[in-house]
Amino acid sequence: TQLLEQSPQFLSIQEGENLTVYCNSSSVFSSLQWYRQEPGEGPVLLVTVVTGGEVKKLKRLTFQFGDARKDSSLHITAAQTGDTGLYLCAGAFVYGQNFVFGPGTRLSVLP
Amino acid sequence: KAGVTQTPRYLIKTRGQQVTLSCSPISGHRSVSWYQQTPGQGLQFLFEYFSETQRNKGNFPGRFSGRQFSNSRSEMNVSTLELGDSALYLCASTWENRLAGVPYEQYFGPGTRLTVT
Repeated sequence: TQLLEQSPQFLSIQEGENLTVYCNSSSVFSSLQWYRQEPGEGPVLLVTVVTGGEVKKLKRLTFQFGDARKDSSLHITAAQTGDTGLYLCAGAFVYGQNFVFGPGTRLSVLP
Repeated sequence: KAGVTQTPRYLIKTRGQQVTLSCSPISGHRSVSWYQQTPGQGLQFLFEYFSETQRNKGNFPGRFSGRQFSNSRSEMNVSTLELGDSALYLCASTWENRLAGVPYEQYFGPGTRLTVT
């Protein structure tokens, strides 16, 4: 049973388009992280969110943590080919405990 | 500062054999976690070591084991390999001593791609 679900599973868009990917759970998380993983490499941490309703921006990427701390979204504005990769969300139930990972959204940005 | 390094990057083994993978964390990081990543199951937590002690363990059979040395370098071992053990094995290191109330940041290595034939 996946504790974290991510949607969509796959996404293929043209360069310049906007997109949003989602991370959902029936459980409340103390904190949630987003990673991007490129082929042949390990995941790279993008952001950590801890407060319900929190919004963080990283250049063209906007991350939001749901008010109830059960879900999160990642919005990319004007996608670029360099955004291509596997986007993973990971949640921790209790501060200090290990994160559980979602299955990921595989994004392909076409030129 | 050098990142997390893992060796070897690629490995091919035969069913029934055993394998040892190595991970060198970022200098100063004392916690090392191991994950298995497969297309079907995604990224799954194997175990975590801190100061040479296993602090957390995932839901994997006893064929999967690990250890950490005094310099924080870590190894994981898989005995009696099965076809289903084919995966990308990732190591992640963390600096923070895991304090309650403090979300920690982990840095991943490039992984070891293990193929069991």
